[in-house]
Amino acid sequence: EAGVAQSPRYKIIEKRQSVAFWCNPISGHATLYWYQQILGQGPKLLIQFQNNGVVDDSQLPKDRFSAERLKGVDSTLKIQPAKLEDSAVYLCASSMGTTETQYFGPGTRLLVL
Amino acid sequence: DQQVKQNSPSLSVQEGRISILNCDYTNSMFDYFLWYKKYPAEGPTFLISISSIKDKNEDGRFTVFLNKSAKHLSLHIVPSQPGDSAVYFCAASVVYNFNKFYFGSGTKLNVKP
Repeated sequence: EAGVAQSPRYKIIEKRQSVAFWCNPISGHATLYWYQQILGQGPKLLIQFQNNGVVDDSQLPKDRFSAERLKGVDSTLKIQPAKLEDSAVYLCASSMGTTETQYFGPGTRLLVL
Repeated sequence: DQQVKQNSPSLSVQEGRISILNCDYTNSMFDYFLWYKKYPAEGPTFLISISSIKDKNEDGRFTVFLNKSAKHLSLHIVPSQPGDSAVYFCAASVVYNFNKFYFGSGTKLNVKP
């Protein structure tokens, strides 16, 4: 069974630029998560989708971050404009349902200069 | 406000000995706890979980203990193997609240041959 796919794996941008990350969850997984993991910290949930609806986005900085999940499958996370403090690994995870085990992708490492 | 804490950033253990990783939490509403293992350049992978109705769960060499009164859980690895060297994250959630995970900051385990 294929795992969670993410691209790109690495991205370097200058502050105030925009960037987008893509995630393809495990087939059949209804729930999709985006996490931000800053160096030395654990993953922090940014947004959670159930199919193509948002379940929780309470920790998403909505002035600069946006996410969508088209047709309840793939998802994109966008940052516009990026700040230095956005440098982190962005992890996508998926699960069968909200009470099931989450499976993580390899992450996208973002460096904002 | 960090609701899940791992106070030991690193742990070094000899091969064949027991590894004990600790985790504390502050939210008494948490009712589901997990441990994830993370290798460099990979996403976290699920290791073992425990529900708040239990105080112990075993899976091969891995055992998780939960002490609800102390708001403390621990992961025991016996015997430790060099392949266990990784960063271990504990996570906690409230299942009815869409299972939103709160992660600790991780403990880097090094198992020496």
